[in-house]
Amino acid sequence: IAGITQAPTSQILAAGRRMTLRCTQDMRHNAMYWYRQDLGLGLRLIHYSNTAGTTGKGEVPDGYSVSRANTDDFPLTLASAVPSQTSVYFCASSAEQGDYGYTFGSGTRLTVV
Amino acid sequence: GENVEQHPSTLSVQEGDSAVIKCTYSDSASNYFPWYKQELGKGPQLIIDIRSNVGEKKDQRIAVTLNKTAKHFSLHITETQPEDSAVYFCAASNSGYSTLTFGKGTMLLVSP
Repeated sequence: IAGITQAPTSQILAAGRRMTLRCTQDMRHNAMYWYRQDLGLGLRLIHYSNTAGTTGKGEVPDGYSVSRANTDDFPLTLASAVPSQTSVYFCASSAEQGDYGYTFGSGTRLTVV
Repeated sequence: GENVEQHPSTLSVQEGDSAVIKCTYSDSASNYFPWYKQELGKGPQLIIDIRSNVGEKKDQRIAVTLNKTAKHFSLHITETQPEDSAVYFCAASNSGYSTLTFGKGTMLLVSP
């Protein structure tokens, strides 16, 4: 089934540990995005990539890094997790930059303790 | 950057009633306004969208209206059903980054 796969589904992580959230799409979409969802704050953009090899910062990029080595994969890394990074993380993709027909993954629920 | 305000944060209606969710945006260059529905434990799904050259769009029980002058847009759901219960997000295109800025969401509860 075409779409976006996120892994893991959920994770409990000790503060200070490094963690990579995985995101893979099989739709050959050029643009990909990472959002975090927090109660009362909605969805906030962390990082985005308009095409393989390029990335950009969103609204809340501090403490996160991304890479886009190929079209299909867009991992999000927390270098040293802190409790404020407890959230639900959603990866999304769209066919092209400026094409706002986003497809979202099912999310990763991350708890930093 | 773009700022999107969404109201109300929660909305309770009886089955069969209409529901209206309203959003305002700040960037006059925004030209695309989608609405997403998020069910419990799932990612958001696009349900309807509108572009700035259109004032209203309908899809069965769902409609969206846009007032560019006032910079606000609304989602209208008629004849609500229990399966409409979910969190709804509005969004506006961010002309600076070619991304979407989302509102904080509205939890809609439809009681039988």
